[in-house]
Amino acid sequence: IAGITQAPTSQILAAGRRMTLRCTQDMRHNAMYWYRQDLGLGLRLIHYSNTAGTTGKGEVPDGYSVSRANTDDFPLTLASAVPSQTSVYFCASSASGSTGELFFGEGSRLTVL
Amino acid sequence: GESVGLHLPTLSVQEGDNSIINCAYSNSASDYFIWYKQESGKGPQFIIDIRSNMDKRQGQRVTVLLNKTVKHLSLQIAATQPGDSAVYFCAENASGGSYIPTFGRGTSLIVHP
Repeated sequence: IAGITQAPTSQILAAGRRMTLRCTQDMRHNAMYWYRQDLGLGLRLIHYSNTAGTTGKGEVPDGYSVSRANTDDFPLTLASAVPSQTSVYFCASSASGSTGELFFGEGSRLTVL
Repeated sequence: GESVGLHLPTLSVQEGDNSIINCAYSNSASDYFIWYKQESGKGPQFIIDIRSNMDKRQGQRVTVLLNKTVKHLSLQIAATQPGDSAVYFCAENASGGSYIPTFGRGTSLIVHP
């Protein structure tokens, strides 16, 4: 059972480059989320999707975009990376629409130079 | 303890001691709370949850206490073990809308053998 799979695990990227972080879940969860984690700031929500075909903005959406073409995949794109986007990115999913635990991937560590 | 808006605090305990990790939440409309454990280099994992109609819930070696009057949540870990060393996050959510959990900044628990 894979759960949530994120790729790449780690990436170093030049500023200005475009980057897509991939997230796939095999649990048929309706809701999916992207968080970034920075030291001392905890987990901050970037974008979310309650169901395939819909997305919403979280706390820190600027510079990021997402799509939800199907239930399983929820890619996060940085159109033009900047150093402040250096972070660890976590994808998560949830089965329930109103309560229930989030299942997290192992994270993607992104460094923008 | 932790609170949304504060720096990451650290709690150091000896193996076998009981640990108490605190969390102050901000949204009085929040009615569902979850504790997550994040080990180094991994994604957060669910520990225990509690709904606002309860003030206490027990799991295996863990107990969560909820005080809605002062908007305070705590996680108690009995007989703390070295494997409990991790960062612990509380998350709150208000039902009635999209399920978008808000995370605190986390507390680092260090267990000394």
